[in-house]
Amino acid sequence: KAGVTQTPRYLIKTRGQQVTLSCSPISGHRSVSWYQQTPGQGLQFLFEYFSETQRNKGNFPGRFSGRQFSNSRSEMNVSTLELGDSALYLCASSLVEGTGVATDTQYFGPGTRLTVL
Amino acid sequence: LAKTTQPISMDSYEGQEVNITCSHNNIATNDYITWYQQFPSQGPRFIIQGYKTKVTNEVASLFIPADRKSSTLSLPRVSLSDTAVYYCLVGDPSYNTDKLIFGTGTRLQVFP
Repeated sequence: KAGVTQTPRYLIKTRGQQVTLSCSPISGHRSVSWYQQTPGQGLQFLFEYFSETQRNKGNFPGRFSGRQFSNSRSEMNVSTLELGDSALYLCASSLVEGTGVATDTQYFGPGTRLTVL
Repeated sequence: LAKTTQPISMDSYEGQEVNITCSHNNIATNDYITWYQQFPSQGPRFIIQGYKTKVTNEVASLFIPADRKSSTLSLPRVSLSDTAVYYCLVGDPSYNTDKLIFGTGTRLQVFP
């Protein structure tokens, strides 16, 4: 079974621009979460989508948004880019059987390295 | 979600057993303990998950004492390729709270 894929792998933008990152979860996985990782702040949760609805949201400004499609694929958008948005953006998917079982483990993609100049 | 505390770094040599301990004093009844491994510029990779006592899989063992306020990830006979950052996470994996809070992790360096 193919793993989580993210595109593009690398991206260079300038301040003020906007960017859209894409994530394809493992087949059958309905939950997709996004994380930002920087050397200074570590791994931080952005938001999580399940069945096309945002279920959880981290502490990030409204410039960070996302959506999920009916096939569970997800996109993340960052508008008005700032230098501090340079980071590795990770997407993770999980099966989420809805029964609360501990096997709803998250599987991460390779990430998109965003550099803002 | 419960906060976790891990050593910032550890050094080991090839062939040795490595034990990384994580403290989670405020763990809740429904919380599980999960460990992830991350290599530079890659996403974290699930290693092992447990609720209590001992869990073992093909790559690691997880020891959880009765009070569940700490846990120990054990990597038997490490190799150079085990050099990575290891994260301990504690949380309720039920679908209503499906998000993870990563701490600073433990940077393991394995020497030949």
